[in-house]
Order: sequence, then C-alpha cells, then structure tokens
Amino acid sequence: AQSVTQLGSHVSVSEGALVLLRCNYSSSVPPYLFWYVQYPNQGLQLLLKYTTGATLVKGINGFEAEFKKSETSFHLTKPSAHMSDAAEYFCAVSVRAGSYQLTFGKGTKLSVIP
Amino acid sequence: GAGVSQSPRYKVAKRGQDVALRCDPISGHVSLFWYQQALGQGPEFLTYFQNEAQLDKSGLPSDRFFAERPEGSVSTLKIQRTQQEDSAVYLCASNNGQVETQYFGPGTRLLVL
Repeated sequence: AQSVTQLGSHVSVSEGALVLLRCNYSSSVPPYLFWYVQYPNQGLQLLLKYTTGATLVKGINGFEAEFKKSETSFHLTKPSAHMSDAAEYFCAVSVRAGSYQLTFGKGTKLSVIP
Repeated sequence: GAGVSQSPRYKVAKRGQDVALRCDPISGHVSLFWYQQALGQGPEFLTYFQNEAQLDKSGLPSDRFFAERPEGSVSTLKIQRTQQEDSAVYLCASNNGQVETQYFGPGTRLLVL
C-alpha cells in the first residue's frame, strides 16, 4: 500500500516570494508522483507528474518538483509566487499496476499575501 | 465535450433518501474512477471501471454505495439511504488506460441533512 504526507496544511507566502510545498510518500514499488491544484468549487487540475527519467519535473504556471528517491520526497516549488497561485495543492502517488488509482495527501492550502 | 462533466453540481438530500450522481468522461477514455473528498481532506478512491467492467470497488465505504457503467461511457454513482457522513464532494476522473494522468471533473457536492 502507498501513502502520502503533506507537511503543513496551510502555507502563507508574500507575493514574489519562493513557494515550497512539501510532500513525502511511501510506496513498496516504484511510484508515479503527481501534484494537483484545486481552486474553490472546481475539480483537480494536474500541475506536473513524475513517471520515469529526469527527476526534476517542470509543470504548468512555473511550478516544478524534484523526485528524491533517497528522501522519498516530491516537493513542489515556484521561484516567485503570484496572487493567482492561491489555491489548495494535493500531492498524490500511484503505482504501476492495476488501476493506477491515486492516493492523495490531505492537501496544503496556499495563501499569497500582497 | 472537451473535459469530464458531472451532474448535478450540487445535491441536497434528506437523511434516508437515495441519490444518483452522474459522470460523463472524456470521449474515448476507457478508464473511469470515482473519488470521495470530505471537507478539508484529500480525495479518497472509491471505485474503478475499465470500459463497463468494475475492476476495483475496494474503496466503497458500505453496501449503500453502488456504481455502474453499463455501456462503458457514462457512469452513475448511487448512494442508498443517505447518511450525514456521506456529505462530501464526489469526484469523477477518466483516462485512456494507457497513460497515468487522470483528468478530473468539477465534482458533485452532496449535503445530507
């Protein structure tokens, strides 16, 4: 079985500051890793994903994440926060078997202070 | 349509009522998933279809929950004798079964009074 831990249920950053959202996973087999963003009253939108290959993954809206197997981490970063980044962010893991069902963390709500 | 659609977007039910939630996946997607997202939590897996076959229903919380996809496209999640703890957002997702990304619909917010 796999699991995801997101450190910090709420993160606040100033506009223009670095965004760092932390995610650690547990999986007995090589995982696929994802970051999704959810705006109020909307579904989940994929930001980026890691499957194989390069461990630094770039996504939409200037976000990137690095897969670190030794640390079982997949932290999400963005160099400069924008007001439009305020949303809830979910890290998720799936394994390369069966249905590829996603196991999500509890989410981190990002606030951006002007 | 271009994306996954769900209806209704909002549903208020009295405790004990039956409800039916609909999902229209992206055209051509063979795989369809249902997730339940309680307030302040991440989504949790309920069930998975490949075409019309329900291959995994391990996440369904009780026998009051039932899902079907009879023709391999539209899916319906039915909850019988709703309870207050069923209040949540129900998300549907689809993919083509060969890649890993799931595309999510906007969800149905269910409130059981």
